[in-house]
Amino acid sequence: GAVVSQHPSRVICKSGTSVKIECRSLDFQATTMFWYRQFPKQSLMLMATSNEGSKATYEQGVEKDKFLINHASLTLSTLTVTSAHPEDSSFYICSRGQQGVEQFFGPGTRLTVL
Amino acid sequence: GQQLNQSPQSMFIQEGEDVSMNCTSSSIFNTWLWYKQDPGEGPVLLIALYKAGELTSNGRLTAQFGITRKDSFLNISASIPSDVGIYFCAGRSGGTSYGKLTFGQGTILTVHP
Repeated sequence: GAVVSQHPSRVICKSGTSVKIECRSLDFQATTMFWYRQFPKQSLMLMATSNEGSKATYEQGVEKDKFLINHASLTLSTLTVTSAHPEDSSFYICSRGQQGVEQFFGPGTRLTVL
Repeated sequence: GQQLNQSPQSMFIQEGEDVSMNCTSSSIFNTWLWYKQDPGEGPVLLIALYKAGELTSNGRLTAQFGITRKDSFLNISASIPSDVGIYFCAGRSGGTSYGKLTFGQGTILTVHP
């Protein structure tokens, strides 16, 4: 069964609104989670590394004030897209980092901003 | 930053044919991974490679970690319709499984019955 879940799987919102995406580790306490963005027919691009109890580490070019990441517990990390615009429409995927095990990816969240 | 060049970008093959795809990098990686992504889903790990020269199989899939540590290939033998999807290579330069991954551009595989 799934070990990483994401909610919602799809979301459509109006431009200017904020959207929160949840990533849950279902079977293991994850101190590290990763957030990726994937545009149509493109590869996965790492946005940030989320560490439980500390600030996320953002990749170059990713606006930390626009993409807010919170990793308040060992099983939940959230990504909030603030003041979303159509260019933020994408497939957002989280993954779980675990000692000695490769990253396990969630099923993704399709965000469409109208 | 690190970049991975994955080829081919797409492949159209007949069921039963073998498939080969590869990734090259300008820098060294300590780990090479191969993932498959179905439409609307997250990537699923197929094979992980940790040593230069390592050759690993997973059913009909075989992957190798290049000797130079700058390349890897994935072969799929006797393809079947359910092999359809996007295949990504990924590399990691760090020494732990927590390290960041760099993904290739992906190979879109279409299998005609």
